[in-house]
Amino acid sequence: GAVVSQHPSRVICKSGTSVKIECRSLDFQATTMFWYRQFPKKSLMLMATSNEGSKATYEQGVEKDKFLINHASLTLSTLTVTSAHPEDSSFYICSARGRVGPPYEQYFGPGTRLTVT
Amino acid sequence: DAKTTQPNSMESNEEEPVHLPCNHSTISGTDYIHWYRQLPSQGPEYVIHGLTSNVNNRMASLAIAEDRKSSTLILHRATLRDAAVYYCILNNAGNMLTFGGGTRLMVKP
Repeated sequence: GAVVSQHPSRVICKSGTSVKIECRSLDFQATTMFWYRQFPKKSLMLMATSNEGSKATYEQGVEKDKFLINHASLTLSTLTVTSAHPEDSSFYICSARGRVGPPYEQYFGPGTRLTVT
Repeated sequence: DAKTTQPNSMESNEEEPVHLPCNHSTISGTDYIHWYRQLPSQGPEYVIHGLTSNVNNRMASLAIAEDRKSSTLILHRATLRDAAVYYCILNNAGNMLTFGGGTRLMVKP
């Protein structure tokens, strides 16, 4: 099956700094990538959708200036958490979709655990 | 988005079959039924999908009701590694996946 990687898998940063998370589709071209956030014991919440070469579409309540998304190529999307605060600590997961038509399956990365101290 | 309803949790014994139900009474004709599972501290893993007919793959089987208002994910022989949260999701025309609460499957040795 299709493989999606994320880097880093785990990061600890100080409050006020910025952190970049990479998401790569390793064996397919991802026309669309998605970024999710998951708090402990909760389900995944979609943050934004990005198509290669265009601006990301953010879900309601997600600050686009705080969570910068760049989908510069068909195999790479990055999420930058700017001026991170402890409340941004969470499990960030990306997914990628390669096929344009149905059944529209998505493939998920292993996640990045961000801890802001 | 059409919503799905799943039990919060289920228990199974190892080596026994598990039937995980999902209700999706507002499903539209073009909605695909997708199942994903998430092991602790990992990203979701694709399990299976279907539209109208029952489906089998190496991981599981998917039984879809004739009216498509419900479906059942079947794990034929549960193992301890199958302990996870299982999500039933409707996917239409490439829209983003909306995750509900899922079913937490616990497998007892």
